[in-house]
Amino acid sequence: GAGVSQSPSNKVTEKGKDVELRCDPISGHTALYWYRQSLGQGLEFLIYFQGNSAPDKSGLPSDRFSAERTGGSVSTLTIQRTQQEDSAVYLCASSGTGVEQYFGPGTRLTVT
Amino acid sequence: GENVEQHPSTLSVQEGDSAVIKCTYSDSASNYFPWYKQELGKRPQLIIDIRSNVGEKKDQRIAVTLNKTAKHFSLHITETQPEDSAVYFCAASKGGSNYKLTFGKGTLLTVNP
Repeated sequence: GAGVSQSPSNKVTEKGKDVELRCDPISGHTALYWYRQSLGQGLEFLIYFQGNSAPDKSGLPSDRFSAERTGGSVSTLTIQRTQQEDSAVYLCASSGTGVEQYFGPGTRLTVT
Repeated sequence: GENVEQHPSTLSVQEGDSAVIKCTYSDSASNYFPWYKQELGKRPQLIIDIRSNVGEKKDQRIAVTLNKTAKHFSLHITETQPEDSAVYFCAASKGGSNYKLTFGKGTLLTVNP
């Protein structure tokens, strides 16, 4: 079946602008994770959604970052007033009844 | 919180040789340890994982070992091939209702033909 998809694949934005990144998890997967991959920091957890439970936002680096998941499926990660240090690849992963997480191709964000 | 250390950061081997990558973790409550392979420009792909109730798991040329007492786990690749060249990441999770992963910094494996 279809894997995790993300859009856009690349996003270039000017410092100070807001951006929205989208994740479509594997159909039927109830758990959805966002991670950030940058050269200096490796892969970092950002936020976790599980069904209708309150999300785990403990990895969000600042209040400029937020995410929502509508209808238990698609998720959107929003970064407000982007800064150059936000430049990274943003990865989404989903998992179903098992614990294995399957990653999407990522969105490469460049803040100029 | 959890901290995962991974070594070495780079590893170069000859085709056919074995490769070993080691990770240590800090939180004794962690109980799930996956390994991901990431080729250049591609998404991380799960290649093998192990839970804390198992000491070793093998899948063809790939094996993972876990020492809970010492809080370290290792990836072993035998009979390496050029297509094994990639960045490998270890990770740890406490599981329960939230399997968020804490990753190591990665190991760039190069298999020379």
